[in-house]
Amino acid sequence: GEDVEQSLFLSVREGDSSVINCTYTDSSSTYLYWYKQEPGAGLQLLTYIFSNMDMKQDQRLTVLLNKKDKHLSLRIADTQTGDSAIYFCADPWRGYQKVTFGIGTKLQVIP
Amino acid sequence: NAGVTQTPKFQVLKTGQSMTLQCAQDMNHNSMYWYRQDPGMGLRLIYYSASEGTTDKGEVPNGYNVSRLNKREFSLRLESAAPSQTSVYFCASSEIRTGGTDTQYFGPGTRLTVL
Repeated sequence: GEDVEQSLFLSVREGDSSVINCTYTDSSSTYLYWYKQEPGAGLQLLTYIFSNMDMKQDQRLTVLLNKKDKHLSLRIADTQTGDSAIYFCADPWRGYQKVTFGIGTKLQVIP
Repeated sequence: NAGVTQTPKFQVLKTGQSMTLQCAQDMNHNSMYWYRQDPGMGLRLIYYSASEGTTDKGEVPNGYNVSRLNKREFSLRLESAAPSQTSVYFCASSEIRTGGTDTQYFGPGTRLTVL
């Protein structure tokens, strides 16, 4: 089956850039997601990238996709304390109704 | 527009007790889901319902049953709770968009402890 892997924890200083990485094993998906979970809340879709794209930029967010290496990354520019959350990489490799989520990377932003 | 609502927010059960977690969405979505979230395990799909009247097993269905009561509501039942079912449970709903992508909208979660 699909394996979506992420590191557990990332700590950055406010104003720096954060880069959260994800690797996946199944490359059949037409798109991949990043979800964000704030403390005590459910997940919210942050962004997604189609598999025929290498990069997607959305304000402070940049998503990079390396299909050859099956590597997805999320870069947050000028990281703010409000960005402190858990970030999940997700792959709908079995169709959109069966999404495999990574374990989540907890981002800690130090003021 | 409340989105996805779940009740209760917190619950403590004793081993062997039963309970039903309720979920409702007001976005007219066809698909609904139940996940559990455990430390170090991420989110795992328990059951999903592609449309009213249908339900299918996810990765970890054992010990659970579901009912898609109507288009809005999707409930999760624990018939005989076990400590291994201590977790945070999330309900979600989604609709596929033109272009083939979709967004899952999550409820706030139910924190369940089984003693």
